[in-house]
Amino acid sequence: GQSLEQPSEVTAVEGAIVQINCTYQTSGFYGLSWYQQHDGGAPTFLSYNALDGLEETGRFSSFLSRSDSYGYLLLQELQMKDSASYFCAVSVMDSNYQLIWGAGTKLIIKP
Amino acid sequence: DVKVTQSSRYLVKRTGEKVFLECVQDMDHENMFWYRQDPGLGLRLIYFSYDVKMKEKGDIPEGYSVSREKKERFSLILESASTNQTSMYLCASSFSPGGEETQYFGPGTRLLVL
Repeated sequence: GQSLEQPSEVTAVEGAIVQINCTYQTSGFYGLSWYQQHDGGAPTFLSYNALDGLEETGRFSSFLSRSDSYGYLLLQELQMKDSASYFCAVSVMDSNYQLIWGAGTKLIIKP
Repeated sequence: DVKVTQSSRYLVKRTGEKVFLECVQDMDHENMFWYRQDPGLGLRLIYFSYDVKMKEKGDIPEGYSVSREKKERFSLILESASTNQTSMYLCASSFSPGGEETQYFGPGTRLLVL
């Protein structure tokens, strides 16, 4: 079956750096996405990696290693507004194209 | 500015009622999705549609049906609501069915079935 694992909760301090990991076991993999969701809000797209390596967008970076079936989201210079849940999602082509979602990681930021 | 709207933010229904949740997108996307979100379980795909009048079952289609008569509108139907269908329902749309194109989400409908 298809599965993704990410930590349920991560705590960090304002101004620090935090890494949220995502490991996956899927067939037909072709990309890894990250979404952010604030409490009461809708998920919003952060990044997409199809190739190995690091993609940087401002304070956020996303990494993929296809050989290790592993990726992470790196958040730098944490701000209180970054307190949210972060979801990794894997794009697969099985019988059809799909996006399979992890259970989400709640990021708690302390002053 | 892209927009996905859902007909209700909050809904309270009784067991056995038929429930309609509507979703409209203004981005001319072919692909539309219905998810439910429960604490600790992330987003689970109920149904998706890749074209008008086309639909595909997701991971948890039981107890649900969908309708896509127009490109911009995708409806989720609970034929006979049950308490275990109490959840947050999220609609999304995108240019592609996979993840290489952003999925845009509506604000969600929090459904309580009594």
